[in-house]
Amino acid sequence: GAVVSQHPSRVICKSGTSVKIECRSLDFQATTMFWYRQFPKQSLMLMATSNEGSKATYEQGVEKDKFLINHASLTLSTLTVTSAHPEDSSFYICSASRRGTSYEQYFGPGTRLTVT
Amino acid sequence: GIQVEQSPPDLILQEGANSTLRCNFSDSVNNLQWFHQNPWGQLINLFYIPSGTKQNGRLSATTVATERYSLLYISSSQTTDSGVYFCAVGVDYKLSFGAGTTVTVRA
Repeated sequence: GAVVSQHPSRVICKSGTSVKIECRSLDFQATTMFWYRQFPKQSLMLMATSNEGSKATYEQGVEKDKFLINHASLTLSTLTVTSAHPEDSSFYICSASRRGTSYEQYFGPGTRLTVT
Repeated sequence: GIQVEQSPPDLILQEGANSTLRCNFSDSVNNLQWFHQNPWGQLINLFYIPSGTKQNGRLSATTVATERYSLLYISSSQTTDSGVYFCAVGVDYKLSFGAGTTVTVRA
C-alpha cells in the first residue's frame, strides 16, 4: 500500500501560460500532502505543505500567488504554476502522509515541467 | 532549519562489495527517512527510521538519535543499486533533505 500518483509525468508549456499538476494518494487517505521542487543534480526543496480543506503553508521564498495549491479532498492535491516562465522549469514531486502514528511520507513519481 | 550532511557525496563500487552511507543532522528529530531515487526520478522509500535499527534484504539502517546520525548499509551490491540515496530528517511531518550520495555499482 501507500501509492502516490502524479499527472502529468511530463509537460511542456509556453511562457506565460498556466500548468496544473495533480497528486493523488491511490490507496490511503492523506492527512497532509507536500510539494517539492528538484533542480538537476540537486536535492529536493520543500515548497509547501497542504492539509485537506485548509490553506497551504508555503516555505520562505516560495511565491504563493505563483504556485497555487488546492487540497480538495483527502486523496487529491493540485499545484498550479501560474504565468510560467523558463526559470520555473524543474522537476516537481509531491508526497503524502497517511493518518496514523507515523510521520512517514510517500512520494509520487514526479512531473517534469519545461517552459519554453 | 535543520542541517543535513550526507557522506560520501559519490561512491563507486564493484558488484558484490559492501558500503556504508552516513547522514549527520544538526538538531533533534522525530522523523528520518532514507530514499533511493531511481534514474526516472522516483523516490523509493527504503526506511522510516527515527531511531533504532532495521533490515530489509541486503539493506539495513541504524539511527542513533542522541548522537544525531544515521547509517545506511548496502551489502553485496548489485548494479540495480545504482542511483542517488537521500537522507531526509525533520520534526513531525516537515522533512529537510540532504544533498544525497550518488552510488555507481560496476559489473
